[in-house]
Amino acid sequence: AQSVTQLGSHVSVSEGALVLLRCNYSSSVPPYLFWYVQYPNQGLQLLLKYTSAATLVKGINGFEAEFKKSETSFHLTKPSAHMSDAAEYFCAVSEGYQKVTFGTGTKLQVIP
Amino acid sequence: EPEVTQTPSHQVTQMGQEVILRCVPISNHLYFYWYRQILGQKVEFLVSFYNNEISEKSEIFDDQFSVERPDGSNFTLKIRSTKLEDSAMYFCASSTPQDEYGYTFGSGTRLTVV
Repeated sequence: AQSVTQLGSHVSVSEGALVLLRCNYSSSVPPYLFWYVQYPNQGLQLLLKYTSAATLVKGINGFEAEFKKSETSFHLTKPSAHMSDAAEYFCAVSEGYQKVTFGTGTKLQVIP
Repeated sequence: EPEVTQTPSHQVTQMGQEVILRCVPISNHLYFYWYRQILGQKVEFLVSFYNNEISEKSEIFDDQFSVERPDGSNFTLKIRSTKLEDSAMYFCASSTPQDEYGYTFGSGTRLTVV
């Protein structure tokens, strides 16, 4: 069965600092992996997705993630945090065009 | 970019009442889904729908819930007799292997049961 573990329910970074949000997955087949962002009282916005092409995936708003099969990881990074990045981030996994399983989320706080 | 559209954005209903949440998936998508997110918690899978039938459902999706694709464009989630614990954000999503946009979520319907 597919699953996702997000390490750290809350992460705080200073404005301009590196953002690193950790995600490890479990899947019985080559997975599709996603990062979604959710701003307060809003829906889920797709940041980026991995679908077995390039292992380094670039997304919107300067975010990127690297698929590492040996580590079963799909960590999300951004070189320089901006105040507008403050939100909740969800890592998710899918075994093909079936249900998506979400992690518990990481709330990112950006300190001025 | 194509969107999944959900209506209404917010619905308030009394406990015991029936509610229908509506979704218009992306037109060439073949798989349709409902998810829910209770306030402060993670997003949970409810049901997937393909070829006019349920392909998978979670333990949350009990007899109080039903889904329907009444025409070629809408996909609905019905809750027959709402309970306080049904209060949540409900997300519709659609996908297809042939679509480069992949798995797309709507902006959600916030259901409040009072």
